[in-house]
Amino acid sequence: GQSLEQPSEVTAVEGAIVQINCTYQTSGFYGLSWYQQHDGGAPTFLSYNGLDGLEETGRFSSFLSRSDSYGYLLLQELQMKDSASYFCAVRSPHSGYSTLTFGKGTMLLVSP
Amino acid sequence: DVKVTQSSRYLVKRTGEKVFLECVQDMDHENMFWYRQDPGLGLRLIYFSYDVKMKEKGDIPEGYSVSREKKERFSLILESASTNQTSMYLCASSAGTGSYEQYFGPGTRLTVT
Repeated sequence: GQSLEQPSEVTAVEGAIVQINCTYQTSGFYGLSWYQQHDGGAPTFLSYNGLDGLEETGRFSSFLSRSDSYGYLLLQELQMKDSASYFCAVRSPHSGYSTLTFGKGTMLLVSP
Repeated sequence: DVKVTQSSRYLVKRTGEKVFLECVQDMDHENMFWYRQDPGLGLRLIYFSYDVKMKEKGDIPEGYSVSREKKERFSLILESASTNQTSMYLCASSAGTGSYEQYFGPGTRLTVT
């Protein structure tokens, strides 16, 4: 089976940098995704790491270490609108296809 | 923009009723998924489909079935709703066999009383 661990809640102030960690145990692994979900909204895709290293998309970066079964999402220059839940998700084989298994989510609270 | 729509935003049903949740995507995506989301549990995969009339069980299929008669439409069926199926149900779609980006609908909050 699959299991993912991420902190339940992280707090930070506007303009700061925050890192949300994700560790996983999985039978079969293709990559690690990150999704953002505002309260009452749909999850939206942020980034994907299929290989080790850092991927940067604007203020957001995501890192993967396959040997450590570990990744993180880095949010820079935090803004109030970044207050949301963030989910890591492992992409892995399932019945000959691939599916996502999501972590339980990290609620990020950004204060002024 | 990819658009995934779900038939209802809120739904209240009684125990034992048959419930249909509909999902439609407009981007000709091959893959469609149904998840349920509960506080503290994240998103859990119920069923998915990689082609018309094709379905595969996810991690928690018990008590659910699905139907995909057309490429753009994926239905989730609760044959006999129970109170433990009270949840937020999210539909998603993605393109291709190697796709890692899923597009989600707004969700249906189902309450079973």
